[in-house]
Amino acid sequence: QSALTQPASVSGSPGQSITISCTGTSSDVVSWYVSWYQQHPGKAPKLMIYDVNNRPSGVSNRFSGSKSGSTASLTISGLQAEDEADYYCSSYTSTSTYVFGSGTKVTVL
Amino acid sequence: QITLKEAGPTLVKPTQTLTLTCTFSGFSLSTSGEGVGWVRQPPGKALEWLALIYWNDDKRYSPSLKSRLTISKDTSKNQVVLTMTNMDPVDTGTYYCAHRRCGGGSCHQTYDYWGQGTLVTVSS
Repeated sequence: QSALTQPASVSGSPGQSITISCTGTSSDVVSWYVSWYQQHPGKAPKLMIYDVNNRPSGVSNRFSGSKSGSTASLTISGLQAEDEADYYCSSYTSTSTYVFGSGTKVTVL
Repeated sequence: QITLKEAGPTLVKPTQTLTLTCTFSGFSLSTSGEGVGWVRQPPGKALEWLALIYWNDDKRYSPSLKSRLTISKDTSKNQVVLTMTNMDPVDTGTYYCAHRRCGGGSCHQTYDYWGQGTLVTVSS
C-alpha cells in the first residue's frame, strides 16, 4: 500500500484558514475512516480528528475534517502560531491495516 | 488516564533482530475492542504504520514489512512486544506504540494515546 498523498507544505497568516488535503484510493480513504494527527518537532503525534470529522475532547473546534470521494481534508480556522507543526492523515484500509499520509508542514507566517 | 512507554535498545547492528516493549497503563488488553499498535518515523520523514494487536490476539501487519515483524502481548504485564528481524540502516528511526481509541462502548480505527517514542539507530 502506498502512502496517502498530502501537500508538502501549507502556510497562512495568523487568523486565516488553511486546508490540508489527503488523497487516497478506493481501498482506503474512499471506503474507510480518516484520522488527522498533529506533530510538533521532537514530540509524539497528537490525535486531532478521527472518523473523518470527530474531535477528541480537548481539541480546539478550530480544527475540522471532511471527506469527498478519495480526498479527505483538514481545515484549521483562525490560524495561530501554536498550529505550526507537521500534520499527517491516516486511513484504515480494506486489508484491515493502516496507512499514513506523506505529511504536511504547516507554517504560520 | 492512559499512558504508554516504549523500551528497547538504542543501537542495533545490521542483520540483528530488534525487540521493543511497550508498557501501558489505564486500560487492559483483555477488554473487548482494545488494541495497541506500532508506528515508526525515520528522521525527518513521515510516519509509517507497522503493526497492531487486538484484545483477542488478532494481529495485523504492514504488508511491506510483514515477513520481518512479529507482535505479541502479555496481558498480565500490560505489555506489547514488537520484534523486527534483519535490521538495516534504513530502519533507523523513532518507534512509537499507540492505543487504539476505545471508550464509551465503541472503538475506532484510530490511535488516541501515544508513547513518547524510542529512537533506534541501526549501524555497525
